[in-house]
Amino acid sequence: NAGVTQTPKFQVLKTGQSMTLQCAQDMNHEYMSWYRQDPGMGLRLIHYSVGAGITDQGEVPNGYNVSRSTTEDFPLRLLSAAPSQTSVYFCASRRSDGLGAQPQHFGDGTRLSIL
Amino acid sequence: GENVEQHPSTLSVQEGDSAVIKCTYSDSASNYFPWYKQELGKGPQLIIDIRSNVGEKKDQRIAVTLNKTAKHFSLHITETQPEDSAVYFCAASIKGYGGSQGNLIFGKGTKLSVKP
Repeated sequence: NAGVTQTPKFQVLKTGQSMTLQCAQDMNHEYMSWYRQDPGMGLRLIHYSVGAGITDQGEVPNGYNVSRSTTEDFPLRLLSAAPSQTSVYFCASRRSDGLGAQPQHFGDGTRLSIL
Repeated sequence: GENVEQHPSTLSVQEGDSAVIKCTYSDSASNYFPWYKQELGKGPQLIIDIRSNVGEKKDQRIAVTLNKTAKHFSLHITETQPEDSAVYFCAASIKGYGGSQGNLIFGKGTKLSVKP
């Protein structure tokens, strides 16, 4: 199994450009999420989804959009990139079976620089 | 809001020594506490987790202890090896409602260096 796959691994954008970070998982997990990781800040939740067609905001959602049309995919869109969005982005997935919190599986990240 | 404090931010030990990383959480309803190891250029990888109905859990050289009364939990690594060098993150689940149940709040990480 590939687990959680993120593409691209690296990206450089100019301020104002838009782009989509891709995330796919092959574990049939209901729950998927996006985090950003900044130096000294740990991991902060951007958006999450508990199933196809259902998304919600996390701690730092401004400037990002998500959608979930399939169980496998959960893309993150930057509509108009800003230098403050320079970060490492991680996608994660886990089961969501009503039995409480479950272990999350992370991808290897997308390193995004905005000039 | 919910918060997780993690200490220390950096930790340097000699190979073979023990390492201890401590976290405190604010949400008394938190019931799941995972620990992640992140190597350079990689995503976080779960190394051990504990639920609130258990006080201690051990897996070979790694152990986690939980004190619900004091709202803190700790990661213990014994007989450290150079390959244990990485950044370690603790996390705590939030109670939330509906889909947010089980969302995690992360500590800011501890960079562990094990010197040969």
